[in-house]
Amino acid sequence: QKEVEQDPGPLSVPEGAIVSLNCTYSNSAFQYFMWYRQYSRKGPELLMYTYSSGNKEDGRFTAQVDKSSKYISLFIRDSQPSDSATYLCAMKGYNQGGKLIFGQGTELSVKP
Amino acid sequence: GAGVSQSPSNKVTEKGKDVELRCDPISGHTALYWYRQSLGQGLEFLIYFQGNSAPDKSGLPSDRFSAERTGGSVSTLTIQRTQQEDSAVYLCASTTLGTNTIYFGEGSWLTVV
Repeated sequence: QKEVEQDPGPLSVPEGAIVSLNCTYSNSAFQYFMWYRQYSRKGPELLMYTYSSGNKEDGRFTAQVDKSSKYISLFIRDSQPSDSATYLCAMKGYNQGGKLIFGQGTELSVKP
Repeated sequence: GAGVSQSPSNKVTEKGKDVELRCDPISGHTALYWYRQSLGQGLEFLIYFQGNSAPDKSGLPSDRFSAERTGGSVSTLTIQRTQQEDSAVYLCASTTLGTNTIYFGEGSWLTVV
């Protein structure tokens, strides 16, 4: 079993829809949770960063972390065609430095 | 520089040849990471540097893979006797102590024929 599980999709939604992307994990030591967006043939771009449990909002994006369930989510409101990309969840333990563990990535397509 | 810079951006090499991939991190960033991403897959951790030391090299897939970092800045990932299964995007990332925001370069796209 992988440490981080993410449904690879692909996920296709109409413009304006609310998108929900999710990851589950098995390592209770994870404390820092990130979401990256990756456009085709580009490097991953940091989208959201959350420490421990709770919600964080940034414009149309909301990240949620539920450590008790080992479950994290990214919500995109009013989705736009420009949101079409692969979304990767990533997480790491408490220690400074150390490696990020990534999910497989979910491919999202927002249709005009 | 403004971001993490990687070179070459694309490399096609023959099976059995050695390749070197270079990463120039964001200025002042003390930590540097190498990841590998195969087609349609997530990112696979290879090695992590703090300064010039590599406290975690657990992801290097075989002894054909090695990496070094000099002057606390530029890093080179070397793959010896390349195999077709080495074909992937090799991504470099950097960050600094006191933050967990990790920034990636655009990657080096390696094709072994």
